[in-house]
Amino acid sequence: QQQVKQSPQSLIVQKGGISIINCAYENTAFDYFPWYQQFPGKGPALLIAIRPDVSEKKEGRFTISFNKSAKQFSLHIMDSQPGDSATYFCAASGGSGNTGKLIFGQGTTLQVKP
Amino acid sequence: DGGITQSPKYLFRKEGQNVTLSCEQNLNHDAMYWYRQDPGQGLRLIYYSQIVNDFQKGDIAEGYSVSREKKESFPLTVTSAQKNPTAFYLCASSIHSYTGELFFGEGSRLTVL
Repeated sequence: QQQVKQSPQSLIVQKGGISIINCAYENTAFDYFPWYQQFPGKGPALLIAIRPDVSEKKEGRFTISFNKSAKQFSLHIMDSQPGDSATYFCAASGGSGNTGKLIFGQGTTLQVKP
Repeated sequence: DGGITQSPKYLFRKEGQNVTLSCEQNLNHDAMYWYRQDPGQGLRLIYYSQIVNDFQKGDIAEGYSVSREKKESFPLTVTSAQKNPTAFYLCASSIHSYTGELFFGEGSRLTVL
């Protein structure tokens, strides 16, 4: 019940296209859903995050869509650029005795072809 | 510049040796975390600490130990009991343990020969 399942494992998109990464969770007590971006050899960095009181959050070309009833959330990257090529992780946290520790998905390696 | 510093960036050790990875933060954050990253498995939590002199096991604590004697430091020791220690280790911190937003260091890659 603590798992976060992420798909696809890898994704290749042409420059200018839309990249879509999906995540599903089981624990209904989760109340914070961030996405992290990681470049090779670096630590992950927070990209965008959402809480369940909204269904969508947009920051520039990055959008999180959140479906509370389906217990799913997704990251959309509009007008994908070669510089977006990285590994993306979804995560979730919250619930009783919340310690702030994040449960991460397995990661998606995105390659944007020029 | 505020941030999290991990050292060393690369470390090679022989099987059976204990190694200690350093993590220092100057963000004045209360909570600190150690994650292990393996290809295709995401980030898995090893240990976390919400305050000084206190820490809890994460999901894969076996074969690891930590200490939190100072707010800014959270070293991780990979002991000889860890069966498969070769991995990329990430240290992170957050302002408080319940905020959810983590700031990561650049990681330490440990290779056991």
